[in-house]
Amino acid sequence: KNQVEQSPQSLIILEGKNCTLQCNYTVSPFSNLRWYKQDTGRGPVSLTIMTFSENTKSNGRYTATLDADTKQSSLHITASQLSDSASYICVVSAGLSGGYNKLIFGAGTRLAVHP
Amino acid sequence: DARVTQTPRDKVTEMGQEVTMRCQPILGHNTVFWYRQTMMQGLELLAYFRNRAPLDDSGMPKDRFSAEMPDATLATLKIQPSEPRDSAVYFCASGQGLAGPGDTQYFGPGTRLTVL
Repeated sequence: KNQVEQSPQSLIILEGKNCTLQCNYTVSPFSNLRWYKQDTGRGPVSLTIMTFSENTKSNGRYTATLDADTKQSSLHITASQLSDSASYICVVSAGLSGGYNKLIFGAGTRLAVHP
Repeated sequence: DARVTQTPRDKVTEMGQEVTMRCQPILGHNTVFWYRQTMMQGLELLAYFRNRAPLDDSGMPKDRFSAEMPDATLATLKIQPSEPRDSAVYFCASGQGLAGPGDTQYFGPGTRLTVL
């Protein structure tokens, strides 16, 4: 069964600190893995998209890693800011026949950055 | 600044009523996705369209939900009859591909639906 699991469910950190969010998946056939940031009351915004052959990808203070062998990904946030407070959703895309992909969503990690 | 728009932003209705949600994708995008988000289930894909044709609607309850794209600038999601368990935030997203590695999805602001 295709599944995406994220941990922790929620996290509180102090402004300026770093943190790492985890994503484990059992999705086949794997096409790509995405991290989204969702602010309260808004739609998700794409942070990174990674394919099988990519180990790491950065977007500003956000760095995603992917280990396709162990089927794990992480999102590292450096020097956190209050505006990083949001939910972070890991999404794995399964490549299906017909040339299109099916998206499997994690439940998200809710991050709160405190001053 | 191109963006996906959705209307209405909020909708409160009574059980049994018909609800129609609308989405205007970003001009030039030929793939449109409908999602539902609840606290319990998180984000779920309901359906998606490519060039206005439905590609995958396996996540959508067929008995009461329907999704259409009457033209390239409008996607609709209809619930008839609505039930309290349909209460959720419904997101529309658009993109230029089929969720492949190079395909970024752009989400709208969502429609918050409350069914009493």
